[in-house]
Amino acid sequence: SQKIEQNSEALNIQEGKTATLTCNYTNYSPAYLQWYRQDPGRGPVFLLLIRENEKEKRKERLKVTFDTTLKQSLFHITASQPADSATYLCALTASGGSYIPTFGRGTSLIVHP
Amino acid sequence: DAGVIQSPRHEVTEMGQEVTLRCKPISGHNSLFWYRQTMMRGLELLIYFNNNVPIDDSGMPEDRFSAKMPNASFSTLKIQPSEPRDSAVYFCASTLMESDTQYFGPGTRLTVL
Repeated sequence: SQKIEQNSEALNIQEGKTATLTCNYTNYSPAYLQWYRQDPGRGPVFLLLIRENEKEKRKERLKVTFDTTLKQSLFHITASQPADSATYLCALTASGGSYIPTFGRGTSLIVHP
Repeated sequence: DAGVIQSPRHEVTEMGQEVTLRCKPISGHNSLFWYRQTMMRGLELLIYFNNNVPIDDSGMPEDRFSAKMPNASFSTLKIQPSEPRDSAVYFCASTLMESDTQYFGPGTRLTVL
């Protein structure tokens, strides 16, 4: 069956360091993958999208990589700040016509000052 | 734009009661999604509409759940009768049809006692 896996344990890092979050998937032929940020009591907010033929995408302090051989996406936040503390969800859209994403359960990031 | 609007933000009800959740999508968007989020299962798609027409309701847990979209600016998700296991945060999201990115509302936190 199709699965999207994100680390359920919170990631704790020190301010200024690079945070790296992982999204692994199985039994998907992906068209593209998205990363969303979710703050407590709020809905997810779109951050970045990377297509299956792209290796890397950047936006300000954010970087996403996509390795379809390893079936993995990495999400990096450089020079992390306490304001980056949130839950980060990856969402995979399979190729084949449907544009509906399936979401992972998210990983909580805590950046300590 | 005000974004996706959901009401109520919090709902506490007793088992057996009818619950109606409401959503106003972003103006101009023609796809609308209802999700449920719990710690155990993450973010699950319940149903989505294109141009006010339900396309896929395979995620609706059982017949107690129903959703309608009478016009482009309003949708409801109804649970009748409600059960304690329905307690969750319910999100509505909207987008342009076949767009990559979804825009989420703030969610309704439902507690069924």
